[in-house]
Amino acid sequence: GQSLEQPSEVTAVEGAIVQINCTYQTSGFYGLSWYQQHDGGAPTFLSYNGLDGLEETGRFSSFLSRSDSYGYLLLQELQMKDSASYFCAVRPTGFQKLVFGTGTRLLVSP
Amino acid sequence: NAGVTQTPKFQVLKTGQSMTLQCAQDMNHNSMYWYRQDPGMGLRLIYYSASEGTTDKGEVPNGYNVSRLNKREFSLRLESAAPSQTSVYFCASTLTGGGYTFGSGTRLTVV
Repeated sequence: GQSLEQPSEVTAVEGAIVQINCTYQTSGFYGLSWYQQHDGGAPTFLSYNGLDGLEETGRFSSFLSRSDSYGYLLLQELQMKDSASYFCAVRPTGFQKLVFGTGTRLLVSP
Repeated sequence: NAGVTQTPKFQVLKTGQSMTLQCAQDMNHNSMYWYRQDPGMGLRLIYYSASEGTTDKGEVPNGYNVSRLNKREFSLRLESAAPSQTSVYFCASTLTGGGYTFGSGTRLTVV
């Protein structure tokens, strides 16, 4: 089976940098994805790591290390609008489905 | 493009009633999914359809049925609603298994 663990909540101030970790136990997967969800909204796709290493998309970066069973989402130059929940997710090998982590609520304060 | 469209957006059911949640995508995606989201539980997969003509159970399929009507449409049916099925339901789709596109959700309350 698959299990993805994230911290339940992270707080930071505007302009800061924050890292949201995702540790997983899975027998195999194609890649690690990240999604953002604002309160009352739908999840939206942020990034995907198919290979180990860092992927950068504007203020957001995502990292994967398969050997450490670990990934993270890095948010730079935090803005109030970044306050949301963030989910990591994997697609298990041989399956056409996403399994989501427990989610991290990010609170950005002025 | 509309993306993924879910109907209805809100619904209140009495215990034992049935209903069908509708989902349609206009992105020519192959795979479609139904998730439920409960407070503190994240997103849990109910059923999915990897391609037209196929459906598979996810993590929490009990009490639900699905139909992949065609490539565009994937419906979720509750035959006899229970209070435990009070949740927010999201439909999603993807072309190749990369980024998923989600609908805006259906907020269902069973009383």
